[in-house]
Amino acid sequence: AQSVTQLGSHVSVSEGALVLLRCNYSSSVPPYLFWYVQYPNQGLQLLLKYTSAATLVKGINGFEAEFKKSETSFHLTKPSAHMSDAAEYFCAVSGMNTDKLIFGTGTRLQVFP
Amino acid sequence: NAGVTQTPKFQVLKTGQSMTLQCAQDMNHEYMSWYRQDPGMGLRLIHYSVGAGITDQGEVPNGYNVSRSTTEDFPLRLLSAAPSQTSVYFCASRPEPRIRTTEAFFGQGTRLTVV
Repeated sequence: AQSVTQLGSHVSVSEGALVLLRCNYSSSVPPYLFWYVQYPNQGLQLLLKYTSAATLVKGINGFEAEFKKSETSFHLTKPSAHMSDAAEYFCAVSGMNTDKLIFGTGTRLQVFP
Repeated sequence: NAGVTQTPKFQVLKTGQSMTLQCAQDMNHEYMSWYRQDPGMGLRLIHYSVGAGITDQGEVPNGYNVSRSTTEDFPLRLLSAAPSQTSVYFCASRPEPRIRTTEAFFGQGTRLTVV
């Protein structure tokens, strides 16, 4: 079975600081992984996805994530946080049966001035 | 570009009432699904469909029904609302359910309160 674990339900950073949101996966087949962002009172939108073409994946708004098989991780980073990055972030893995996206519990990012 | 459209955006129901949450997509996607979002629990899959006429249960299907008579529409029915169904509901679609690399496109959500 596939699953993802997001460590830290809340992360707070200062504006300009590094953002690091953690995601570890469990999968019995090669995983395909996604990061989504949810701004207040909105739906989820795709930030980036890993599809095995490259281990370092660049997404929108300056975010990137690195797939590390040895650590079963797919952490999301951004070198310099902006106030507009405040949102909830979800890691997801594509299920083995192809028809499901399995989500983590989410990490709420707060950015302080 | 409408994408995935959900109606209504907000709804308050009394315990025992029934209602239908509407979801429509204009991208000709085969796969559609319903999730509920609750604090600390992420998104949990309720029901999904891989094409018109085909539906299946997800992780938390009890108390909900779905049907898929057309490619575009995937309504979610609450048969007899309970306070435990207070949640934010999201509809999502994916273009190719047999390809695991395809991402989901989400609607704006329906915030449901059952009193």
